[in-house]
Amino acid sequence: GAVVSQHPSWVICKSGTSVKIECRSLDFQATTMFWYRQFPKQSLMLMATSNEGSKATYEQGVEKDKFLINHASLTLSTLTVTSAHPEDSSFYICSAPGQGESEAFFGQGTRLTVV
Amino acid sequence: KQEVTQIPAALSVPEGENLVLNCSFTDSAIYNLQWFRQDPGKGLTSLLLIQSSQREQTSGRLNASLDKSSGRSTLYIAASQPGDSATYLCAVRRGGATNKLIFGTGTLLAVQP
Repeated sequence: GAVVSQHPSWVICKSGTSVKIECRSLDFQATTMFWYRQFPKQSLMLMATSNEGSKATYEQGVEKDKFLINHASLTLSTLTVTSAHPEDSSFYICSAPGQGESEAFFGQGTRLTVV
Repeated sequence: KQEVTQIPAALSVPEGENLVLNCSFTDSAIYNLQWFRQDPGKGLTSLLLIQSSQREQTSGRLNASLDKSSGRSTLYIAASQPGDSATYLCAVRRGGATNKLIFGTGTLLAVQP
């Protein structure tokens, strides 16, 4: 099946710094990718839809200036958490939808800890 | 706005028992529904995908059903094993311009040896 690779799998950063997370579709092209956030013992919440060659679409309540999304190619989307704070500590996971009736494919997720 | 709910939130069963996990959604205009498994601190593993035109899908000891008109799906796990212990998530996909997954609240399953 299709593979989505997410990097890094975990990162610890100091408060106030920025962190970039990459999401790559390895064997297929993805014009759209989705970024989710999951707090402990909670379900996945959609943050934004990444669109290749255009601006991302953010869900209500998600700060677009804090969570910068870039989808510069058909196989790569990046999420940058700017000026990270401890409350941004979470599990971030990306997804690329399959074509037609295919299933959605997920990256391995990134555990972000801001200290 | 689509809302997806899973019941129960947590479930503990002895090994060998058959069990059913429930997923309900408020908007029946879905493209498909997907069941996932998530181990602690890990990503998602896709289990079964049911298209809106289908009634059920089977894979090994897993069987998922879909009743779109009533907004319900069930995941049936036969002869449960300790290795089945994980969080199970259902997600619905609307398709079209809003081709994104909306996740349920999850069911934490513990299978006791």
